[in-house]
Amino acid sequence: AQSVTQLDSQVPVFEEAPVELRCNYSSSVSVYLFWYVQYPNQGLQLLLKYLSGSTLVKGINGFEAEFNKSQTSFHLRKPSVHISDTAEYFCAVSEMDTGRRALTFGSGTRLQVQP
Amino acid sequence: DSGVTQTPKHLITATGQRVTLRCSPRSGDLSVYWYQQSLDQGLQFLIQYYNGEERAKGNILERFSAQQFPDLHSELNLSSLELGDSALYFCASSVRDTRTDTQYFGPGTRLTVL
Repeated sequence: AQSVTQLDSQVPVFEEAPVELRCNYSSSVSVYLFWYVQYPNQGLQLLLKYLSGSTLVKGINGFEAEFNKSQTSFHLRKPSVHISDTAEYFCAVSEMDTGRRALTFGSGTRLQVQP
Repeated sequence: DSGVTQTPKHLITATGQRVTLRCSPRSGDLSVYWYQQSLDQGLQFLIQYYNGEERAKGNILERFSAQQFPDLHSELNLSSLELGDSALYFCASSVRDTRTDTQYFGPGTRLTVL
């Protein structure tokens, strides 16, 4: 079985500062990796996903993430955040080569961008 | 707007009651997933349907059931409700039944059990 750990439950940051949201996973098989964002009172929206190939993945709204297989990490970064980036961010995995298609989510990181 | 619709948006009911949550996937999507988001358990996968057939089960209680109809909309039935069932229930859809397909999430149904 796989699990996802998001190391920070809350990350406060000032506007225009860089941010990194950390995600580590554990799985007995290879996985696909995803980052979703949830704005207040809304559903989840896909930011980016890693399936294969280049370990640096670029997503929407200026976000990017880097897959590190040796450290089993998939940290999300943005060089300069905006107030509108305030939201909850979820890291998720799905297993390759198994019958399970559903996503396993981390507990989420609340990004609070302050002016 | 993801294209996935869920009704109702909010639902308030009493313990012991039964409710039905409805999900319409994006046009053309064959897979529907149900997830539960609660403060203590986080986001958990409940069940998946693909083209009308149950494909996978997660942490779904026996009191809960689901189905996907020929027009591909899905319903999640929750019965003998308990206070702990209060949560946000999301439906997601994807084109096919593969692990690489993006799952598109609806806005959710917030269930409050009093």
